[in-house]
Amino acid sequence: GESVGLHLPTLSVQEGDNSIINCAYSNSASDYFIWYKQESGKGPQFIIDIRSNMDKRQGQRVTVLLNKTVKHLSLQIAATQPGDSAVYFCAENTSNQAGTALIFGKGTTLSVSS
Amino acid sequence: DGGITQSPKYLFRKEGQNVTLSCEQNLNHDAMYWYRQDPGQGLRLIYYSQIVNDFQKGDIAEGYSVSREKKESFPLTVTSAQKNPTAFYLCASSIVSQRPNTEAFFGQGTRLTVV
Repeated sequence: GESVGLHLPTLSVQEGDNSIINCAYSNSASDYFIWYKQESGKGPQFIIDIRSNMDKRQGQRVTVLLNKTVKHLSLQIAATQPGDSAVYFCAENTSNQAGTALIFGKGTTLSVSS
Repeated sequence: DGGITQSPKYLFRKEGQNVTLSCEQNLNHDAMYWYRQDPGQGLRLIYYSQIVNDFQKGDIAEGYSVSREKKESFPLTVTSAQKNPTAFYLCASSIVSQRPNTEAFFGQGTRLTVV
């Protein structure tokens, strides 16, 4: 079936480095994507979203890039901090006749060392 | 404070027993969702509901049941038919489930352990 996935299950970086987390999606009809951050034992928290009519969106220290040609999504975190250590999920808003729901990838665990 | 609340945080049950997980939101959101998360895995959709008294199966609905009698509440029952119920269960809600899209807000999860 169609699903959203991530390229790497883990990513380790040094404090202060920039982090790039990647995601590939397969549903070309998807028009809305979200990045979530999940800390251990907690629910996912919204980081940033992007609609398919955009290529790039920036937030505070985070940037999401969308390449619809190759169906690729990335999350860039600038000046990564230890508090950024978590699991990051991309999610795709998919629709059928019954409605819409978010479909998640498997996640990338980001580890930041001091 | 507005938010989405799941209870309990930890739940233990004996094999063969049905168990109901609570999810309540006071965000006035139309849509609510249940996801299951296994260790090292992503979130898999169990059921979702667009409006009161209506709900749809997600990717892994077998062994689960839901109800949506009130806009604020979307309880999930894990039945004895669910072969591997031990997992972390997450409830979410969103303003609307149709376009334009908005993000879903998550509760803090219920960790169910079946022994």
